[in-house]
Amino acid sequence: DSGVTQTPKHLITATGQRVTLRCSPRSGDLSVYWYQQSLDQGLQFLIQYYNGEERAKGNILERFSAQQFPDLHSELNLSSLELGDSALYFCASLAGEGDEQFFGPGTRLTVL
Amino acid sequence: AQKVTQAQTEISVVEKEDVTLDCVYETRDTTYYLFWYKQPPSGELVFLIRRNSFDEQNEISGRYSWNFQKSTSSFNFTITASQVVDSAVYFCALSEVDTDKLIFGTGTRLQVFP
Repeated sequence: DSGVTQTPKHLITATGQRVTLRCSPRSGDLSVYWYQQSLDQGLQFLIQYYNGEERAKGNILERFSAQQFPDLHSELNLSSLELGDSALYFCASLAGEGDEQFFGPGTRLTVL
Repeated sequence: AQKVTQAQTEISVVEKEDVTLDCVYETRDTTYYLFWYKQPPSGELVFLIRRNSFDEQNEISGRYSWNFQKSTSSFNFTITASQVVDSAVYFCALSEVDTDKLIFGTGTRLQVFP
């Protein structure tokens, strides 16, 4: 158990819909990262938050947004969903610079 | 640009064979970190090792060993006496200095047959 929790574990929805994925980092970790794992794109960094502030952005679509709350949990919002958004979405947290990231179990999103 | 290449898409071995997974990276940073993660069939990403760019010592942990060579920009992973439970996808990753975001290779699927 990495100590990072993600909900829900599975999500099935239709094109055009909006979903919210939730992540709670390990106790004390201020940094949260979101990654997307899909068959065609592999594992890709989406966005990072540090103590409530956006720190870095990767190949994140404009239809996607995220935030980190004062209690340090983070949410990834995906809107106007398309079939191609079907993927495994991971959240990871980091204790400090250069440390390893610990990953949550992932949320598997299926868009029908 | 930073990049991680895992040229081996899939490797199949029989139990007890040794197997080496290759990883080649590109970066302009002088300080960086390299990682290996394991993704078993259950899907989670499990951290295996972290190595910083100033530490070229090889590391051994049980049946696992890692060979880091800055001269060839490689960070290879060897499993000795492989077991069926080693079957998984293995990812090599490089972290970006300012943000610690991970740049992953495409992964190597290892299948160990009894």
